Formats: sequence, C-alpha cells, structure tokens
Amino acid sequence: GAGVSQSPSNKVTEKGKDVELRCDPISGHTALYWYRQSLGQGLEFLIYFQGNSAPDKSGLPSDRFSAERTGGSVSTLTIQRTQQEDSAVYLCASSLALYQETQYFGPGTRLLVL
Amino acid sequence: DQQVKQNSPSLSVQEGRISILNCDYTNSMFDYFLWYKKYPAEGPTFLISISSIKDKNEDGRFTVFLNKSAKHLSLHIVPSQPGDSAVYFCAASEAGTYKYIFGTGTRLKVLA
Repeated sequence: GAGVSQSPSNKVTEKGKDVELRCDPISGHTALYWYRQSLGQGLEFLIYFQGNSAPDKSGLPSDRFSAERTGGSVSTLTIQRTQQEDSAVYLCASSLALYQETQYFGPGTRLLVL
Repeated sequence: DQQVKQNSPSLSVQEGRISILNCDYTNSMFDYFLWYKKYPAEGPTFLISISSIKDKNEDGRFTVFLNKSAKHLSLHIVPSQPGDSAVYFCAASEAGTYKYIFGTGTRLKVLA
C-alpha cells in the first residue's frame, strides 16, 4: 500500500509570503504528526492530530504556524508571513493511534525562504 | 533544553566491524525508545525499539541496549554494511503519550 506522501517536495518562497504544505497519511492511520528538521538539528515536534480530538499544538513555534486536518485524513500545515528561520525540512508522519505505535514518515518538504 | 541527546554528530566504521551509536536522555519519565534511520531526501524509517521493562532488544544485525540508571541507550550494528550509511535518530516517549522526542542524529558512514 501507499506510504505517507507530502507535497510539494521542495518549495522556495520569498520572506513574508504564506506557504501551504500538504500531507497524505497512510489510509487507516488516525494519528498524524508534523515535525520540522532545521539544519544540524533533530526532529522538532510541531503538532499532533488524533481522530476528532483537539490537536496537540504545543510544538508550534509561533502563531504564524497553523495546521488543519480535514475529514480525519489529509493535513495542511500553513506558515504565514514566512521568515528565513522557517527554512527547514518539514516532515509528516502517521500512525495507528495506539500506545507506542510506530510512526511512518513521509519524504518531507524542503522549504527555503529567501 | 535537549531531553534526548546524541553527542556524536558523525561516526565512521569499516565494513564488517561493529557500529555503536549512543543516545542519552534526561527525562526519567521516558519509558519507550526507538531508533530511526534516515537516508538523504527520504523520511526517517523505523529501525528498532525498546521498552523500559527490557534492557536489550535484538533484530538481526541490530541490537538496542538500555541502561535506565545511566539514562543511556545504544544501537549496535554488527556486522556493519555500506548500506547502513545513513543518519540515525534516537527518540523517546513518556508513558501514555504519543509524542516522541528526537535526538539530533548521528551520521554513520560505513567504509567499504
């Protein structure tokens, strides 16, 4: 079956513009995560969705970042008024919403803010 | 404050020898640990995990050791192969949570 897919694979934007990153999780996975990997850093947790529950937004770095998950499947991460420090690889993962379940990652979107 | 630390950013090992990747953590509430492997331009893929009720878990060439008193875990790869060359991340989670905290990764290079 298909894995987690993300689009676009690469995005170059100008400082101050808004960007939208998309994630298609594995079918049947009710949990969805967004992470960010900046240069030389580990994977930084951003946000977690589980079914119809309120998302865990504790990792979002500022109010310029938001995410939604429509119909319990596809998710969009939006960054408004992008800054150069937003440049990173944005990774999406999904899992069965079971305790200590393996997360399956997409290939990521590489964002460059000029 | 980095709760999961991988202090070696890189490691080079000869093919056929053992690779040992280390990870330290500070949160005593962590009870589940994983290792992920990441190739360039790909997402991380799950490698092996260990629960805090164990001190060792083995899967083929990969073994993870957990020392709870030292808050330290390690991944052993033996024998190392050139295809093992990748970045390895350790991750940890607290009981009852779905959130994993990742380390900064160690780049392993296996020399043929």
